[in-house]
Amino acid sequence: NAGVTQTPKFQVLKTGQSMTLQCAQDMNHEYMSWYRQDPGMGLRLIHYSVGAGITDQGEVPNGYNVSRSTTEDFPLRLLSAAPSQTSVYFCASSYNSPGTSGVETQYFGPGTRLLVL
Amino acid sequence: GNSVTQMEGPVTLSEEAFLTINCTYTATGYPSLFWYVQYPGEGLQLLLKATKADDKGSNKGFEATYRKETTSFHLEKGSVQVSDSAVYFCALGDNTDKLIFGTGTRLQVFP
Repeated sequence: NAGVTQTPKFQVLKTGQSMTLQCAQDMNHEYMSWYRQDPGMGLRLIHYSVGAGITDQGEVPNGYNVSRSTTEDFPLRLLSAAPSQTSVYFCASSYNSPGTSGVETQYFGPGTRLLVL
Repeated sequence: GNSVTQMEGPVTLSEEAFLTINCTYTATGYPSLFWYVQYPGEGLQLLLKATKADDKGSNKGFEATYRKETTSFHLEKGSVQVSDSAVYFCALGDNTDKLIFGTGTRLQVFP
């Protein structure tokens, strides 16, 4: 199994550009999520999905869209990039939602480093 | 709301020193507690977890005990190695659809 994969590894955008960060998992996990990691702020949840066709907002959803048309894929879209979105983005997945049983292990991808100029 | 507080880093140690990274939490009910580790250039991976009071999670020489009376889940290791240099995150699962992470503590171990 490849686990959780993310592309691209690094991206530079200009303010106002759009892009999609890709996330895929081959473990048949129902739950997928996106975090951003910023210095001194740890990991903050952007959006999550408890299954195909279902998405919901996390702590910092503004400026980001998601969709979950298949179990495997959970892309994150930036419609109009801003310098405040410069960050490292991590996708994670687990068999079930943390709310199903509080002991689910999250499997993380290697991250996408985004720089918005 | 529920939250996790970690000691600020970086924590700088010599090889074979004893490690403690403090983590305290605020939560209603009985959350599950986790420690995740992020090695340089990689994503996070689960280090250990505990699901109820007085449980001890352990892995790779690291240990943490779920202390409900002090709302703590401190990470310890008796003898650190250079290869333990990483960022360590304490996290809380409160039976919602979200995990709550602390801000992370960077550990630097020198030979």
